[in-house]
Amino acid sequence: DTGVSQNPRHKITKRGQNVTFRCDPISEHNRLYWYRQTLGQGPEFLTYFQNEAQLEKSRLLSDRFSAERPKGSFSTLEIQRTEQGDSAMYLCASSPGVAGGNQETQYFGPGTRLLVL
Amino acid sequence: GNSVTQMEGPVTLSEEAFLTINCTYTATGYPSLFWYVQYPGEGLQLLLKATKADDKGSNKGFEATYRKETTSFHLEKGSVQVSDSAVYFCALTDTGFQKLVFGTGTRLLVSP
Repeated sequence: DTGVSQNPRHKITKRGQNVTFRCDPISEHNRLYWYRQTLGQGPEFLTYFQNEAQLEKSRLLSDRFSAERPKGSFSTLEIQRTEQGDSAMYLCASSPGVAGGNQETQYFGPGTRLLVL
Repeated sequence: GNSVTQMEGPVTLSEEAFLTINCTYTATGYPSLFWYVQYPGEGLQLLLKATKADDKGSNKGFEATYRKETTSFHLEKGSVQVSDSAVYFCALTDTGFQKLVFGTGTRLLVSP
């Protein structure tokens, strides 16, 4: 078990460019979550996958944001036409998502820090 | 909607002092409660959890008890170390698909 990994760890881009982040969950974890954390705040939920199905999206996720989880394994989060307000830490988490005492525990990756200039 | 309120920081303590970080919540149903810790430059690590009323979560000397009557989940440690310096987040699981709802975090600074 290598934990949740995210790439890249840091991304600097110019306003208007597109960016894509990748998250590799813990193997065999069915649930995958994306959160966004701005400076001095707690993480805020963006979207959630159960296997390959995207089951919930926050109103924070504007039309410029899209997430996928093909084949229920890794996930990508793309931001189109980035804006300075998109600058934040993007966190990915996964959980087993099956019956059992630890189904609710979410394990977080190190995050991708995005800076939009 | 569901929400979590944490005491504002920073909390500044000397090594070996007693720590309390207050956390209260508003929720429908019966959420699970969590404390996560974030060290500088790193992601969130689960510190402890409690899934029902009166449960006590504990880990690495930290403890928190799920108090339904006061809707609280205060974090305590009897003797803090410099290495405990970090940001601590209280969180609850929303009903349904169980997204986490976080507080704003409390920064702890421990000096030698």
